[in-house]
Amino acid sequence: DAGVIQSPRHEVTEMGQEVTLRCKPISGHDYLFWYRQTMMRGLELLIYFNNNVPIDDSGMPEDRFSAKMPNASFSTLKIQPSEPRDSAVYFCASTRGVHRLGGEKLFFGSGTQLSVL
Amino acid sequence: ILNVEQSPQSLHVQEGDSTNFTCSFPSSNFYALHWYRWETAKSPEALFVMTLNGDEKKKGRISATLNTKEGYSYLYIKGSQPEDSATYLCVLKAAGNKLTFGGGTRVLVKP
Repeated sequence: DAGVIQSPRHEVTEMGQEVTLRCKPISGHDYLFWYRQTMMRGLELLIYFNNNVPIDDSGMPEDRFSAKMPNASFSTLKIQPSEPRDSAVYFCASTRGVHRLGGEKLFFGSGTQLSVL
Repeated sequence: ILNVEQSPQSLHVQEGDSTNFTCSFPSSNFYALHWYRWETAKSPEALFVMTLNGDEKKKGRISATLNTKEGYSYLYIKGSQPEDSATYLCVLKAAGNKLTFGGGTRVLVKP
């Protein structure tokens, strides 16, 4: 398996523009997570899905952020409109196991480096 | 809000020396503790998943212990090598499927 695939690797955009980050989880994994890494807050969970359904979006910073998972092999994280403070590395991760979530490790994608000017 | 603390934030180790560092977490509602290794410009990779009090895990020169009653886990690196340089993250999974990351311990092994 190719692992968790994220695109793009780098995104530079201007304030106010819409940004869409994409993630393809590992086949067979039924949990998908979106994380953001910043210098100030470290690695923080934004939202996660189980079987394509959003379970916990309490980490989504505000209404400008939205995430979807239309099928088991694809998820998007959208920021509209983007702001300079959204600049960060955004990671997607997946894992499997409904009842063994505590025992299943996360597999991370390579991340998307977002810069909002 | 669950508070997962890692200490120290960073440490320098001479090549060949052994070292260890700590992850502290609230012991209530404990479900599992994960350790991840995160090299610069790469994505985090899982080292250990620990669920039972008293668990000890080992992978090569790296090992970890878990005390769920007092709420801490130690990660040990024996005979550090330059390739061990990375940030080591601990992640607490509590009841309700919430995952909380610690701030990480950045390890730099000097040749």
